[in-house]
Amino acid sequence: QVQLQESGPGLVTPSQTLSLTCTVSGGSITTGGYYWTWIRQHPGKGLEWIGFIYYSGNTYLNPSLKNRGTISVDTSKNQFSLKLRSVTVADTAVYYCARDPHGYGSYFDLWGRGTLVTVSS
Amino acid sequence: EIVLTQSPGTLSLSPGERAALSCRASQSITSNYLAWYQQKPGQAPRLLIYGASSRATGIPDRFSGSGSGTDFTLTISRLEPEDFAVYYCQQYGYSPRTFGQGTKVEFK
Repeated sequence: QVQLQESGPGLVTPSQTLSLTCTVSGGSITTGGYYWTWIRQHPGKGLEWIGFIYYSGNTYLNPSLKNRGTISVDTSKNQFSLKLRSVTVADTAVYYCARDPHGYGSYFDLWGRGTLVTVSS
Repeated sequence: EIVLTQSPGTLSLSPGERAALSCRASQSITSNYLAWYQQKPGQAPRLLIYGASSRATGIPDRFSGSGSGTDFTLTISRLEPEDFAVYYCQQYGYSPRTFGQGTKVEFK
């Protein structure tokens, strides 16, 4: 069955760039209709939708990120990635990648386990 | 952005009891594009309901969703021990997609 796995540094220095990758296994990222999403959860808090990408490269990011974010896809590696520039302590969170079966950032039927990213000097 | 307000913040119940969780939107959600998730400590959220009332694959029928417009409800007909968790609603009718702040269902 399809599984998602986040990877990347667990510690990022303030003002630097946070880079995470989600590897899709057990299925192809180019399967029609699926969109691929990043969501984060601040410690002890609720969930925040970051944005999505389609395998064609069509992407949308939450305006709350103030143009600091980029989502990209590498179909040859069956991966999609998140980059968040100029991070602050407010970006400390568990970052999840997830699958959206309905498109354009709808609901999320499959999630990775999540990876904690701490922003600290 | 659409604000989703969940109530109550915490629900204290016993196994076998019925749970009713509310999610109210700051404006009407188009096409009932509302989902519900369950999250247990240290785990990723799990999709329960989409389209306000459609159960996701593998979700027991004790979970049901209802509502339209601005008012939605997740009902757990008879609580099982594994149902004690935090529940979130999420709208996907408008961008950016937003989540409610969660309702914790705890052991009474």
